Amino acid sequence: SQTIHQWPATLVQPVGSPLSLECTVEGTSNPNLYWYRQAAGRGLQLLFYSVGIGQISSEVPQNLSASRPQDRQFILSSKKLLLSDSGFYLCAWSPPGGRDGYTFGSGTRLTVV
Amino acid sequence: AQSVTQPDIHITVSEGASLELRCNYSYGATPYLFWYVQSPGQGLQLLLKYFSGDTLVQGIKGFEAEFKRSQSSFNLRKPSVHWSDAAEYFCAVGAGGLTGGGNKLTFGTGTQLKVEL
Repeated sequence: SQTIHQWPATLVQPVGSPLSLECTVEGTSNPNLYWYRQAAGRGLQLLFYSVGIGQISSEVPQNLSASRPQDRQFILSSKKLLLSDSGFYLCAWSPPGGRDGYTFGSGTRLTVV
Repeated sequence: AQSVTQPDIHITVSEGASLELRCNYSYGATPYLFWYVQSPGQGLQLLLKYFSGDTLVQGIKGFEAEFKRSQSSFNLRKPSVHWSDAAEYFCAVGAGGLTGGGNKLTFGTGTQLKVEL
């Protein structure tokens, strides 16, 4: 069966520090991968998605970047965190086609102080 | 562009009462529709999905949803709510993979369900 792992679960970082969140999927190949951010009371905002290795699409201009160095690995990064980067970050995967929806990781709570 | 509206931010029901959470979508063709549930501090879990066929779909945990094209709605229902159903519920709409857009889902802002014992 397929599983998705996301870490760390919680992170407190100072303003201006770098960020690296990692997400890996097991039990499938060539998944579509997604990074969402969830702010309190504001639903889920799609940040990046990827349909293949090295292919990254950005949905909103921001202080973050994403990379997909391997088929089942998706990384969210920042060179210098801002206070506004605080939030709950969710990684998700889906098979091609769209009918199955997403499977989400357990999320990372990021607090920038 | 697709969009989703969940008009109820908070809903409170008594345990054992029936539940209906509203979802309205905007999309030019037949959408793929989903309901997810999120417990505090956790990821989202898929409850049910619709992409074609029978407009009444059954999901996990006793939930069901009905797709009504004429009303652009996909409301979630449960005949008898349990205290463990207290969580946040998200409706989502997707365009599928044919557009080449990576199966992007657009989520509503969520409905927080409180269950009174």
